[in-house]
Amino acid sequence: GAVVSQHPSRVICKSGTSVKIECRSLDFQATTMFWYRQFPKQSLMLMATSNEGSKATYEQGVEKDKFLINHASLTLSTLTVTSAHPEDSSFYICSVPTGGIYNEQFFGPGTRLTVL
Amino acid sequence: AQSVTQLDSHVSVSEGTPVLLRCNYSSSYSPSLFWYVQHPNKGLQLLLKYTSAATLVKGINGFEAEFKKSETSFHLTKPSAHMSDAAEYFCVVSSGGAGTALIFGKGTTLSVSS
Repeated sequence: GAVVSQHPSRVICKSGTSVKIECRSLDFQATTMFWYRQFPKQSLMLMATSNEGSKATYEQGVEKDKFLINHASLTLSTLTVTSAHPEDSSFYICSVPTGGIYNEQFFGPGTRLTVL
Repeated sequence: AQSVTQLDSHVSVSEGTPVLLRCNYSSSYSPSLFWYVQHPNKGLQLLLKYTSAATLVKGINGFEAEFKKSETSFHLTKPSAHMSDAAEYFCVVSSGGAGTALIFGKGTTLSVSS
């Protein structure tokens, strides 16, 4: 089956810096990828939908200028957290739909972001 | 709109006893439902999925779930808990058709004591 990778798996940065997280679909092409955020001991919340060849769509309350998404190719989406602050510390997870009619998705292993 | 409600935030069982994690769903059409497990500091692993082929769905590691339309429920069960089952469990519904986002329940923490 498809494998989704994320890089880096863990990153620590200083407040005010920007961090880029990559999500790669290793086995097949994906015109759509999803980005979720998971705060400690909470559930996953959809942040945005990454669309190849067009702008990302963001969920209500997610700042598009802060969380920049670029779907560079059919196998790569990147999430850049700009001017990161401690409250952005979270677990960021991407998913790739398989295209199946029941909407199965493959999830990346996640990226743990810690902002000091 | 689709949604899921996990009725218990924390479930504690003894090793060897049955596990029941409860989930109710709301959907305007026949939903695609999933159960995922997340071990500490790990990614998500698919346990099982409901796809309308059968109401009783068998998953990995001895877990199964029964889709009950009349009760709008999709509870997860396992006859005998193992220590390695201790983890966070998420009931998930598809927000729409193929290629749409998934909606996660708040999660249930399963603790297993010896």
